[in-house]
Amino acid sequence: GESVGLHLPTLSVQEGDNSIINCAYSNSASDYFIWYKQESGKGPQFIIDIRSNMDKRQGQRVTVLLNKTVKHLSLQIAATQPGDSAVYFCAENNNAGNMLTFGGGTRLMVKP
Amino acid sequence: DAEITQSPRHKITETGRQVTLACHQTWNHNNMFWYRQDLGHGLRLIHYSYGVHDTNKGEVSDGYSVSRSNTEDLPLTLESAASSQTSVYFCASSTGSQETQYFGPGTRLLVL
Repeated sequence: GESVGLHLPTLSVQEGDNSIINCAYSNSASDYFIWYKQESGKGPQFIIDIRSNMDKRQGQRVTVLLNKTVKHLSLQIAATQPGDSAVYFCAENNNAGNMLTFGGGTRLMVKP
Repeated sequence: DAEITQSPRHKITETGRQVTLACHQTWNHNNMFWYRQDLGHGLRLIHYSYGVHDTNKGEVSDGYSVSRSNTEDLPLTLESAASSQTSVYFCASSTGSQETQYFGPGTRLLVL
């Protein structure tokens, strides 16, 4: 079936470096994508979203890139800080109401 | 401030007991969702509701039920708890289709 990034890799970066977290999706009909951050013991927290009519969207220290041709989504975090350490999930709206399909997540570890 | 809360935050119960997890949001969101989160499976949708008196089954609905008697609350009931239902449960809400879902802090449930 359709899926979004089912693996949980770990990305380790040095404090101050930029981080790039990737996500592959397989449902070409999806037209809305969200990145969530989840810290230990907490619920997923919205970071940034993007709709399929855009290929880039920027927030505070974060940028989301969408490549519909290869069905790839990425989250870029500038000047990564220790507080950015968490698991990051991508999610896609599968165009069936407000249903989201979540990827398995990527763990970001920031070394001081 | 508007928010979404879950209670209890931690629960230990025995196999066969009925358990109800509460979810309450003060954003006046129409859509509410229940997910479970397990290692190796990410977030999986249990039930969801698009408004008062509306409920729908998600990907892993067996053994769970929900009711929506008002806009603010979507309680999740485990009719006869099983050890396989040991998990972390998250409630989420959103304003409507193609909109971000906002998550509660989670309930950690242990079924012995």
